[in-house]
Amino acid sequence: SQTIHQWPATLVQPVGSPLSLECTVEGTSNPNLYWYRQAAGRGLQLLFYSVGIGQISSEVPQNLSASRPQDRQFILSSKKLLLSDSGFYLCAWARGLAVFNEQFFGPGTRLTVL
Amino acid sequence: AQTVTQSQPEMSVQEAETVTLSCTYDTSESDYYLFWYKQPPSRQMILVIRQEAYKQQNATENRFSVNFQKAAKSFSLKISDSQLGDAAMYFCAYRRKYGGSQGNLIFGKGTKLSVKP
Repeated sequence: SQTIHQWPATLVQPVGSPLSLECTVEGTSNPNLYWYRQAAGRGLQLLFYSVGIGQISSEVPQNLSASRPQDRQFILSSKKLLLSDSGFYLCAWARGLAVFNEQFFGPGTRLTVL
Repeated sequence: AQTVTQSQPEMSVQEAETVTLSCTYDTSESDYYLFWYKQPPSRQMILVIRQEAYKQQNATENRFSVNFQKAAKSFSLKISDSQLGDAAMYFCAYRRKYGGSQGNLIFGKGTKLSVKP
């Protein structure tokens, strides 16, 4: 069976510090991977998606970046965090593009920037 | 660009009763997918039900069913025989079937459902 992991579960960082959130998927190969952010009281906003190693697409301009160094690893990064980066970050995976597939979400990381 | 609107920030239902959550969307496409996701206090996103736009029959999953009105661009979720475990944030989501953005989901802002014992 497939599982998706995210860590850390919670993180408190000062403004201006770097960030690295990791997401890994087990039990499948060549998944599509997604990073979402959920700000307090708001819905989910897609940040990045990836259809393969080294392939990253950004949906919104921001202070964050993403990388996919391995097939089942997706990393969300920032060189200098802003207060507005606080939120709940969810990673998701899906099997493919052209089929009626489901996105499976990880447990999320709660980031607080002080 | 596609948008998803959930006009009810909060809803409340008595245990064992029925509640309907509203969702409308805007798109110029004729074929797409629609989803309802549930996010309990654990924050895990769980797929509740999904609908393919070209199918006229409303999707049903046990106590969960949808009322899909394509012309009106409406996709409401009905929860029958509500249970305490149904209390959660519910998100309506849209996904393109073709074209760019690789199947990305567009979410509404969510409806917080409370279930009273």
